[in-house]
Amino acid sequence: DTGVSQDPRHKITKRGQNVTFRCDPISEHNRLYWYRQTLGQGPEFLTYFQNEAQLEKSRLLSDRFSAERPKGSFSTLEIQRTEQGDSAMYLCASSGTSGMSTDTQYFGPGTRLTVL
Amino acid sequence: GESVGLHLPTLSVQEGDNSIINCAYSNSASDYFIWYKQESGKGPQFIIDIRSNMDKRQGQRVTVLLNKTVKHLSLQIAATQPGDSAVYFCAETRGQNALNFGKGTSLLVTP
Repeated sequence: DTGVSQDPRHKITKRGQNVTFRCDPISEHNRLYWYRQTLGQGPEFLTYFQNEAQLEKSRLLSDRFSAERPKGSFSTLEIQRTEQGDSAMYLCASSGTSGMSTDTQYFGPGTRLTVL
Repeated sequence: GESVGLHLPTLSVQEGDNSIINCAYSNSASDYFIWYKQESGKGPQFIIDIRSNMDKRQGQRVTVLLNKTVKHLSLQIAATQPGDSAVYFCAETRGQNALNFGKGTSLLVTP
């Protein structure tokens, strides 16, 4: 499979616990995005990497959230001290270097987080 | 802030009919627009995109129309099939920035 992959697909945790999600982008893509999606809504932007550099963070990304992309390949998103309001689908997308002004973002299957 | 919105939250069509899903955007600086299809429990799947220097783009059974004058985007699906049942999102951006999504339209194809 040469698409974007995410692990785990589902995570159930208790309030106050820490969780970490992983995203593996399409191999030749240098841009990686994290989004969050709640039921009935469109995805909302969280943060964006170009190679290993984190270029933008949304105001949705509170200080309990941290994302890394240490070698410019896979990325991790950690949520500390989870709250019930963190329950959502966490989506990762990647885009490449076509030379166009904008590259298509391709999404992974998402990680469904449920905080009890 | 700037927003992307959809005119109808749900759309029900009969199998074989054509479907039209509409989307309004407000950011006149946006130069790239994209339609995604999302099935239950899955990530958004790319359908078709269009850049601001175009008015129309066609794919396999899908056509996207862009009207920059009234900031309107539409997705046309020809000969709608049961497998087309899903939630459809439009999104917009400029450059390599994050996508700004609307709420989505749920398309239900009935036999």
